[in-house]
Amino acid sequence: QKEVEQNSGPLSVPEGAIASLNCTYSDRGSQSFFWYRQYSGKSPELIMSIYSNGDKEDGRFTAQLNKASQYVSLLIRDSQPSDSATYLCAGGDSSYKLIFGSGTRLLVRP
Amino acid sequence: ETGVTQTPRHLVMGMTNKKSLKCEQHLGHNAMYWYKQSAKKPLELMFVYNFKEQTENNSVPSRFSPECPNSSHLFLHLHTLQPEDSALYLCASSQVALALQFFGPGTRLTVL
Repeated sequence: QKEVEQNSGPLSVPEGAIASLNCTYSDRGSQSFFWYRQYSGKSPELIMSIYSNGDKEDGRFTAQLNKASQYVSLLIRDSQPSDSATYLCAGGDSSYKLIFGSGTRLLVRP
Repeated sequence: ETGVTQTPRHLVMGMTNKKSLKCEQHLGHNAMYWYKQSAKKPLELMFVYNFKEQTENNSVPSRFSPECPNSSHLFLHLHTLQPEDSALYLCASSQVALALQFFGPGTRLTVL
């Protein structure tokens, strides 16, 4: 059974801090990883993708991948109250299927 | 959000009703998906269509019937649903062999 595990949270951080969201996956065949942000009552919105080991930065977001440890993380710098949402981690193999985690709820306190 | 559209956005139906959900993608993708999202649970993949052919049925009850007439349109026909089928139903699309999926806004379904 392929699984993606996330801590459900909530993860509470003060405004301006770095939020660190983590995810582990069971399928060593997974080659691509994605972070989606989902506001309450809305659909998931893609914010980051990462395919190779290391860091990938996009604005305030940094995705980190460690395939040996089967670990993916998302760092949000200078967190804003508008970043408060549920963050979904997903892993995909060479096919077109994604396995989603249950999401981590992030709360950014003003 | 405008790349993948879904209608209706909200639907309330009785257990004996028949209704359909519609999804349309304007991204030139070849794969389309139906997901179910219930409270406190991960996204559940229901169906996958690849070049209009169904390639995945994730043990979904027969009261859910998908239809994909072309690569841009996807339907989910609903009949004799149960209250536990109440959820957010999400459509997504991607290029074949790439897992990068884009979601529509979803249909919030309530079964009375």
